[in-house]
Amino acid sequence: KNEVEQSPQNLTAQEGEFITINCSYSVGISALHWLQQHPGGGIVSLFMLSSGKKKHGRLIATINIQEKHSSLHITASHPRDSAVYICAVRTYTGANSKLTFGKGITLSVRP
Amino acid sequence: DSGVTQTPKHLITATGQRVTLRCSPRSGDLSVYWYQQSLDQGLQFLIQYYNGEERAKGNILERFSAQQFPDLHSELNLSSLELGDSALYFCASSVEGAGNTIYFGEGSWLTVV
Repeated sequence: KNEVEQSPQNLTAQEGEFITINCSYSVGISALHWLQQHPGGGIVSLFMLSSGKKKHGRLIATINIQEKHSSLHITASHPRDSAVYICAVRTYTGANSKLTFGKGITLSVRP
Repeated sequence: DSGVTQTPKHLITATGQRVTLRCSPRSGDLSVYWYQQSLDQGLQFLIQYYNGEERAKGNILERFSAQQFPDLHSELNLSSLELGDSALYFCASSVEGAGNTIYFGEGSWLTVV
């Protein structure tokens, strides 16, 4: 079992729909990152969470530390939101930290 | 623009060869991370440097090595290349500390033929 699991694996939505992408993890973490990877390959960091909820424009990210679960919501989705969304968790071993990534979900928003 | 610069953007080389990927972190960031993204494995952490010293190691092969220089730029050296090393290699940087935002470069596409 992977330390970080994302669902659904692929997602197709109609423009304007509300979208939820989920991430579950099995280890203790210090932070969780949501990343967006565009078709050209570049990766953008959307959010970094250690508790609660964050909002940026039409994107909302939540995390439940007790349940080891995070969600990324996209409101009023648009074709430009089409990308791969990757969840990554930061864990520490002593003073050293590393990011472990989910496999990502591919979102396609149709006009 | 994340502020992290990677060169080259694309590279094609033959099996058995050696290549060097270069990364300049964001101004002021002391930590540099290297990641490998292949089609079947997704993103994998390779290695982290902090202010010139190796801080953490992930799934990095012995044929691969990295270093961070006094000016904080980093190089990832890949040797005795195999077809399976074909991947997108990302560099990222952050101001190290618990829970800092991490900034990714555009990646270097390596194709081994």
